[in-house]
Amino acid sequence: EAGVAQSPRYKIIEKRQSVAFWCNPISGHATLYWYQQILGQGPKLLIQFQNNGVVDDSQLPKDRFSAERLKGVDSTLKIQPAKLEDSAVYLCASSLVRSSGSTDTQYFGPGTRLTVL
Amino acid sequence: ELKVEQNPLFLSMQEGKNYTIYCNYSTTSDRLYWYRQDPGKSLESLFVLLSNGAVKQEGRLMASLDTKARLSTLHITAAVHDLSATYFCAVVYMEYGNKLVFGAGTILRVKS
Repeated sequence: EAGVAQSPRYKIIEKRQSVAFWCNPISGHATLYWYQQILGQGPKLLIQFQNNGVVDDSQLPKDRFSAERLKGVDSTLKIQPAKLEDSAVYLCASSLVRSSGSTDTQYFGPGTRLTVL
Repeated sequence: ELKVEQNPLFLSMQEGKNYTIYCNYSTTSDRLYWYRQDPGKSLESLFVLLSNGAVKQEGRLMASLDTKARLSTLHITAAVHDLSATYFCAVVYMEYGNKLVFGAGTILRVKS
């Protein structure tokens, strides 16, 4: 079974530039997450989708970050304009939804390492 | 506030020794995960603990959960170099839309 795919794996940009990350979840996983992992910290949830609807975006800096999940499958996360403090690894994860409505184990992709200069 | 605290944050061990990593969380939860992350790699799920008193073991790692104390432990038995990695605990908060909140991680280095 293929895992969660992400691209690119690495990106270096200058501050105030824009950048986009792509994620393809495990087939059949209705729930998709984007996390930000700053060096030395645990992942922090930015946004959660169920199918193509947003479930939680409370920690997404909406003045510069945006995300979409078209057709309930692939997703893109965009930063515009980037700041120095956005340097981090951006992880995408996906999970099944149980019949009870709760979500199952999250499976993570390899991440995109973003460096903002 | 949803908090997950791990300690220690860094652990250097000799091969063959035993040690325990602790994970405390701030409010009621019905699920707790332990993940492993190797340098430059993504997170791999090790264990999911679903109920008070749950214990799971895989090789040299054993995880347990005490929901009354809001505490989980990851015990390492007779450490080997291959266990060197960062270990995260993560707690699911059902009352907050099944949000998964991670601890800061424990960097484990096993020296031969």
